[in-house]
Amino acid sequence: DTGVSQNPRHKITKRGQNVTFRCDPISEHNRLYWYRQTLGQGPEFLTYFQNEAQLEKSRLLSDRFSAERPKGSFSTLEIQRTEQGDSAMYLCASSFRGRDTDTQYFGPGTRLTVL
Amino acid sequence: DQQVKQNSPSLSVQEGRISILNCDYTNSMFDYFLWYKKYPAEGPTFLISISSIKDKNEDGRFTVFLNKSAKHLSLHIVPSQPGDSAVYFCAASDGGGSEKLVFGKGMKLTVNP
Repeated sequence: DTGVSQNPRHKITKRGQNVTFRCDPISEHNRLYWYRQTLGQGPEFLTYFQNEAQLEKSRLLSDRFSAERPKGSFSTLEIQRTEQGDSAMYLCASSFRGRDTDTQYFGPGTRLTVL
Repeated sequence: DQQVKQNSPSLSVQEGRISILNCDYTNSMFDYFLWYKKYPAEGPTFLISISSIKDKNEDGRFTVFLNKSAKHLSLHIVPSQPGDSAVYFCAASDGGGSEKLVFGKGMKLTVNP
């Protein structure tokens, strides 16, 4: 399968703990995006990378959140000192930055539950 | 402030009939629009897209129409099939899809056999 993969698929943690999620994009894609989706809402943008450079961060991405894409391939999203409000589906997408238009392809997501 | 709005939370149609899903947007800088389908516990699956230079794009049973003056787009599914039952999201971008996507809240489509 050559789609976007995310690990773990589910994570349950206690409030105050740190968690890290991983995203592996489609291999030839140079852009990688993180979104968060809560119940009854559409996905909300968090941040995105072109290769290893983080180009934009949403104001939703508080200082407890950090994302990296160290070698321009996989990416990690870390949440420190988790809060119950962080419970959500975290989605990763990738695209190839072309000349005209891009299509973002999404992974299956990581469901985070903070107790 | 919601820049992309899907005002109807749900739609139910009979198998074989047409499904029409609507989406409105407020940001005139949006130049690329996409529709995604989502099943429970899965990520969104790309369906079809349209650039602002076009007013229609067709792919098999799926057609997207864009009315820029009204800031409105719609997705037509003909004929509808039970496997089309899912939540559909409209999304928009102001960078040809390379920048962040702004999503609507989604609409649940149920196609009855």
